[in-house]
Amino acid sequence: AQSVAQPEDQVNVAEGNPLTVKCTYSVSGNPYLFWYVQYPNRGLQFLLKYITGDNLVKGSYGFEAEFNKSQTSFHLKKPSALVSDSALYFCAVRDLNNAGNMLTFGGGTRLMVKP
Amino acid sequence: DTAVSQTPKYLVTQMGNDKSIKCEQNLGHDTMYWYKQDSKKFLKIMFSYNNKELIINETVPNRFSPKSPDKAHLNLHINSLELGDSAVYFCASSQRRTEVRSYEQYFGPGTRLTVT
Repeated sequence: AQSVAQPEDQVNVAEGNPLTVKCTYSVSGNPYLFWYVQYPNRGLQFLLKYITGDNLVKGSYGFEAEFNKSQTSFHLKKPSALVSDSALYFCAVRDLNNAGNMLTFGGGTRLMVKP
Repeated sequence: DTAVSQTPKYLVTQMGNDKSIKCEQNLGHDTMYWYKQDSKKFLKIMFSYNNKELIINETVPNRFSPKSPDKAHLNLHINSLELGDSAVYFCASSQRRTEVRSYEQYFGPGTRLTVT
């Protein structure tokens, strides 16, 4: 069975500083990995994905993530945080063999960016 | 020009009632999903529906049933509502057909269900 872990419930960072939101995964085959962001009282918005190719993927709003197969990690990063980045972030994985294209989500990490 | 829409946004009802939540996508996607987000913000897949192929998460009670009148709609019907069904329910869609596969899912704004 596939699983995703986000070890930090909350990450605090000052505006302008770099941020990292951690994610590790477990799948039986090659993973498809995703990051989503959820603003208060809103649905999830797709940020970026890793399917194949370069380990560093770039996404929306200046976010990027690095796929590390040996560490089974897919950490989300941004060089300079904005107050408006404050939201709930979800990492998700889909096993290549997963019927139905269903995603398994991590528990979410709340990012707080302070001015 | 909302991509994935859900109605209603809020739903308050009593235990034992039957209710439905509607979902529509105008992205031309061939697969739709329902997710449940509990009070701790944990997201769990409930169903995946593609071209009449329904895949059910085995933990979902059979009181929950998805109904798809056409490719653009996947409604969620819930029978005999229980207190524990209170949550935010999200609909999503994606494109699975090989030649135009995009993998990522697009989510609706959610329906907050409160069972009293």
